[in-house]
Amino acid sequence: EPEVTQTPSHQVTQMGQEVILRCVPISNHLYFYWYRQILGQKVEFLVSFYNNEISEKSEIFDDQFSVERPDGSNFTLKIRSTKLEDSAMYFCAGLGTSGFTDTQYFGPGTRLTVL
Amino acid sequence: AQSVTQPDIHITVSEGASLELRCNYSYGATPYLFWYVQSPGQGLQLLLKYFSGDTLVQGIKGFEAEFKRSQSSFNLRKPSVHWSDAAEYFCAVGASTGTASKLTFGTGTRLQVTL
Repeated sequence: EPEVTQTPSHQVTQMGQEVILRCVPISNHLYFYWYRQILGQKVEFLVSFYNNEISEKSEIFDDQFSVERPDGSNFTLKIRSTKLEDSAMYFCAGLGTSGFTDTQYFGPGTRLTVL
Repeated sequence: AQSVTQPDIHITVSEGASLELRCNYSYGATPYLFWYVQSPGQGLQLLLKYFSGDTLVQGIKGFEAEFKRSQSSFNLRKPSVHWSDAAEYFCAVGASTGTASKLTFGTGTRLQVTL
């Protein structure tokens, strides 16, 4: 069964540094998402992406964040200047060709620690 | 705006006992509802989903959930809990209109299983 993969599994960075989190969605998925989960809190939606553009973003997804699908397979989340409060688990998810009438499949997550 | 409430933060049950995890949602139309499970340090695994049709849905690992529109609920049940069911359980709602629908998660219920 195909799976969503994410790299790295754990990233440690200094405050103010740029990080790029990578995701390889399932090959036939067309809609992509990033969510985050601060330790002990609920999973929160960050951004959705379709047809090479952002479909929707939350208030969390400010100018420090960006997403792209540079090569048609990887889906990346970039944080330009990390803050302590960006420390969280970041999940990538993908959705099949049926659009919203389908299930989002999540990757295992990247734990980001900002020091 | 859609929202999800999971009123129980932490539940402890004995192995072999029955389980019910509560979930209430708020959404203006017919929602798409999901239960995900997260084991420590792991990603989110889909247990089951409701889109339409039969209001009692079966999932993996012996779980089931019942959609009750009148109560805006989607409670998760299992007749006999196994020690391996200890994990965090998240209820989520997705919009049934638009495209690239985000998921809104509840705060989760942590299940502890005693032997």
